[in-house]
Amino acid sequence: QQQVKQSPQSLIVQKGGISIINCAYENTAFDYFPWYQQFPGKGPALLIAIRPDVSEKKEGRFTISFNKSAKQFSLHIMDSQPGDSATYFCAAITSGTYKYIFGTGTRLKVLA
Amino acid sequence: KAGVTQTPRYLIKTRGQQVTLSCSPISGHRSVSWYQQTPGQGLQFLFEYFSETQRNKGNFPGRFSGRQFSNSRSEMNVSTLELGDSALYLCASSHPDRGSTDTQYFGPGTRLTVL
Repeated sequence: QQQVKQSPQSLIVQKGGISIINCAYENTAFDYFPWYQQFPGKGPALLIAIRPDVSEKKEGRFTISFNKSAKQFSLHIMDSQPGDSATYFCAAITSGTYKYIFGTGTRLKVLA
Repeated sequence: KAGVTQTPRYLIKTRGQQVTLSCSPISGHRSVSWYQQTPGQGLQFLFEYFSETQRNKGNFPGRFSGRQFSNSRSEMNVSTLELGDSALYLCASSHPDRGSTDTQYFGPGTRLTVL
C-alpha cells in the first residue's frame, strides 16, 4: 500500500512533442505529490508538485494532472525539448510522516 | 547559498567491509533524509533525521544506520557490506519548520560499489 507505481520505464519523444508519465498509488493518506527531475551525475531536483484538492497544476511547459478518485496522477511535458532528456520520478507523502515514497523512475529521451 | 554536499562522491569496497557516508545539508536546514537509488528500484527511503533524532525509517536491515550531529550534518553507515548494497546513496535536506512537505533538496550522491 506504500508503493507508487510509475510508467513507462522509458520514453522517447520527438522534439516539440508531448511527454506523458503516469503514476498510481493506493494509500489514500498521501496528500502531497511532487515530481522530480534528475540529470546524470546529479541528484533529483523538484520540478512541480500538487495537492489532491486541485485537479491540475501548470508551471510553464510542465503540467500535473491529478485524478483523486482513480488515485492516479501524471506529468505532461508540452513542447518537449532535448534539454528535457532526464529521468523523472513521481513521489508521494503523507503530511507529518517525513517519509517520501518514490516511483521507480522514467527515463525520457527527446530526439532533436 | 551552498547546496547539499556529500562525501565521498565515489567509493569502492569489498564484501564484509563497512562504510560511512557523509552529508552536509543546506545552511539552516535541520531535516536530513537518506535514500538508496538503484536502476530497478528507483529511490528507496532509508531514514530521516531532525535535531539529532531519527523520526522515520524505511524498510532496510539493521546494517544500515545513521546519525545526525548538532550542526545538522549527517552520516550513514552500512556494516557488513553485500554486493546488493551497490547503489547511489542520496541525501536530501529540507526546512521542516515549513512543514513536512517542504521541498527536499538533494545532493549529488555517493556512488558505492561493492566488489
